Amino acid sequence: GENVEQHPSTLSVQEGDSAVIKCTYSDSASNYFPWYKQELGKRPQLIIDIRSNVGEKKDQRIAVTLNKTAKHFSLHITETQPEDSAVYFCAGSGTALIFGKGTTLSVSS
Amino acid sequence: DTGVSQDPRHKITKRGQNVTFRCDPISEHNRLYWYRQTLGQGPEFLTYFQNEAQLEKSRLLSDRFSAERPKGSFSTLEIQRTEQGDSAMYLCASSPTGSNTEAFFGQGTRLTVV
Repeated sequence: GENVEQHPSTLSVQEGDSAVIKCTYSDSASNYFPWYKQELGKRPQLIIDIRSNVGEKKDQRIAVTLNKTAKHFSLHITETQPEDSAVYFCAGSGTALIFGKGTTLSVSS
Repeated sequence: DTGVSQDPRHKITKRGQNVTFRCDPISEHNRLYWYRQTLGQGPEFLTYFQNEAQLEKSRLLSDRFSAERPKGSFSTLEIQRTEQGDSAMYLCASSPTGSNTEAFFGQGTRLTVV
């Protein structure tokens, strides 16, 4: 089955800096890679996703890149703001949706 | 509220007791997932249904755990003979169809085994 590894586990940046979170996956059949944001005490919510027929996708300050050959994908957040502070999860989906262990992002002003 | 709903929100039980949680997915969502989440960890996959069919269970899932989705709508997750290690947040998620569409999460059921 799918295995998703996520790095780093914690990330601290200054407001306005960029943040990058990286994930690798094992199942070459996986074709859907969402990213979720979870604030303290709340449910995970989708922020961006990418499918295997696309190499990059951008939505305002958030972008995701996918390298199918290397089986890795990354989340890029530019011009970080304090409200970006949360836990971010990547996931890979071949059959079931399998999540990484998460990255705690702290943005200090 | 037309989102995914879970009941109860909190459950405290004594070790050895059985507990059952319910998940009502978004209407007409065919796929339903169950996850377990402990503090500081990502959602750990437990099982998923496509309509009423249970298609996959985690190999790590104990035989004490069972899930059903009898009519392809709501689902239940039962834990028999609970142990302290079962204490966690149990999350349900649903998606319209297939494995390559957004999964919407419920608020979760927080289980505490004492």
